[in-house]
Amino acid sequence: QQKVQQSPESLTVSEGAMASLNCTFSDRSSDNFRWYRQHSGKGLEVLVSIFSDGEKEEGSFTAHLNRASLHVFLHIREPQPSDSALYLCAVSMDSGYNKLTFGKGTVLLVSP
Amino acid sequence: DTTVKQNPRYKLARVGKPVNLICSQTMNHDTMYWYQKKPNQAPKLLLFYYDKILNREADTFEKFQSSRPNNSFCSLYIGSAGLEYSAMYLCASSPDWGIEQYFGPGTRLTVL
Repeated sequence: QQKVQQSPESLTVSEGAMASLNCTFSDRSSDNFRWYRQHSGKGLEVLVSIFSDGEKEEGSFTAHLNRASLHVFLHIREPQPSDSALYLCAVSMDSGYNKLTFGKGTVLLVSP
Repeated sequence: DTTVKQNPRYKLARVGKPVNLICSQTMNHDTMYWYQKKPNQAPKLLLFYYDKILNREADTFEKFQSSRPNNSFCSLYIGSAGLEYSAMYLCASSPDWGIEQYFGPGTRLTVL
């Protein structure tokens, strides 16, 4: 059964400093990797999706996938206080009805 | 419009009483999903509809029911709420496998 773990549990960075979040998964046959963000009391907002090894950039968000090491990273360039939120990693397989397995998330706090 | 709507946004229920949560989307998506999220836990898939076919996860099979009277609407039904059902319930829809899931704002259910 797929296991998804995220680290750190919480992260505080200063406004404008790079924030890096880590996600590890257990099943190497996984195909799809997504990063979501949830502001307090709101739904999930997809930030970036990546399907092959390497990097994928969407605005200030860059996902980096290394399937061999079972890692997918999220880098946030020049974060603002409005980027303070819960960040969730989700993994799925094409053969699995696109069912998402989530990590518990990283709480990011961006201080002014 | 990629909006997924959920009603109500907040629900207070008594132990032993039924609960019915509603999700709607106007994107003509084939698949609709329900996730449960508790504080400090990963979102957990409860069930999903692909067209008119309901798929329930094995470990929540008997706890939740759902119906999809048409392509746009999907409900989540709890026959007898227990304290352990207190959580955020997230609905998502997707046009096909391997494609983005669009999430609604969630319904926060509190069972007393």
